[in-house]
Amino acid sequence: QVQLQESGPGLVKPSETLSLNCSVSGGSMSNHYWNWIRQSPGKGLEWIGYVFSSGTTHYNPSFESRVTISIDTSKNQFSLRLTSVTAADAAVYFCARAALQPDARWFDPWGQGTVVTVSS
Amino acid sequence: DIVLTQSPGTLSLSPGERATISCRASQSVGTRFLAWYQQKPGQAPRLLIYSAFSRATGIPDRFSGSGSGTDFTLTISRLEPEDFAVYYCQQYGSSLPWTFGQGTKVEIK
Repeated sequence: QVQLQESGPGLVKPSETLSLNCSVSGGSMSNHYWNWIRQSPGKGLEWIGYVFSSGTTHYNPSFESRVTISIDTSKNQFSLRLTSVTAADAAVYFCARAALQPDARWFDPWGQGTVVTVSS
Repeated sequence: DIVLTQSPGTLSLSPGERATISCRASQSVGTRFLAWYQQKPGQAPRLLIYSAFSRATGIPDRFSGSGSGTDFTLTISRLEPEDFAVYYCQQYGSSLPWTFGQGTKVEIK
């Protein structure tokens, strides 16, 4: 059974870069979409973007100028970088898997989430 | 972006009652590119329903989904104590970005 686990700093200073990792265990990363999603009181659940197992990415236009999602299948992990953070980026960040088939791209499973605070 | 609007925002019900949650899309998400999730405090969302009406593994049959195009419904036939939570719809059609509804809280009356 595939499990995902987020890790990274819980506190980021304004204008700096948020970096998170998601470790995948219990299965292969091949032929899946690996996603970052965040949840804040003000914006609810927001899909940030995905990286496919081949390295192809697609980002939500709301984040496109600031976000990079990358994958390292040899380490069974993928990563999120979000630059120039502000207080609006404070949220719980989740990683989640979606299947390859176009009619099967729901999110399952999810990581437990990691809280990121933005403060100096 | 496809905007998903859930109603009601809060549903106050008693155990044993029926819960019906609506999710309306600003444009068609296809016949069935819609999922429902349940979220409890401090937890990640959990997949309940995919393809509009298919239950995920381990989900009790009191949960059912219906609809297509722009109008979808999640029904909980008889609420159990563990069903009081927040529910979200999400579209995963070909129109990116994938989006979520704002959530419906099912609370104990």
